[in-house]
Amino acid sequence: QQQVKQSPQSLIVQKGGISIINCAYENTAFDYFPWYQQFPGKGPALLIAIRPDVSEKKEGRFTISFNKSAKQFSLHIMDSQPGDSATYFCAARRISGSARQLTFGSGTQLTVLP
Amino acid sequence: DAGITQSPRHKVTETGTPVTLRCHQTENHRYMYWYRQDPGHGLRLIHYSYGVKDTDKGEVSDGYSVSRSKTEDFLLTLESATSSQTSVYFCAITSGTLNTGELFFGEGSRLTVL
Repeated sequence: QQQVKQSPQSLIVQKGGISIINCAYENTAFDYFPWYQQFPGKGPALLIAIRPDVSEKKEGRFTISFNKSAKQFSLHIMDSQPGDSATYFCAARRISGSARQLTFGSGTQLTVLP
Repeated sequence: DAGITQSPRHKVTETGTPVTLRCHQTENHRYMYWYRQDPGHGLRLIHYSYGVKDTDKGEVSDGYSVSRSKTEDFLLTLESATSSQTSVYFCAITSGTLNTGELFFGEGSRLTVL
């Protein structure tokens, strides 16, 4: 069961454009929502993260928008660059006792054309 | 870079043979995870550990077992490999503190089951 739904599966953007990736979740027990970036042949690495008590977080060209009532969050990449070409995963964390589980979306392959 | 080493990085095996993947960390983090990555499915949790000899199942645990006899090592075993277990396997670690949920990933182990 996919608890975090991510779209689109792939995205092509021109250099300088805005890339937008969306995620939706069902479980209201999630308490932390990170985005990971993965380059070919490498493991994912944390890009930016947000907690549900905040509606927006910005770090450089990357912004997370969070809508708690709609159970949706999105990643915006401003002024997209060819070096941003990678696979992006949204994720959501659930804490239950000693357990710390991170559930990932299915990923978005971003290509930024020069 | 987080001190995570996965071995082997690449392995080709035949259906029905046992396979063990090893994850070694030098960060002394409490939590360790095994994920598999497949196109269209993102990263799916196989098993995780929240301490020495403390492990639990993830969403795709069938056909896999794990062991953690030391803080630094987390082993993933396929008792009898099948073609459906052809995948890229990632180990991840985290300290598990509530203030940050960042997972640090290894570089992956690519397994091909013929």
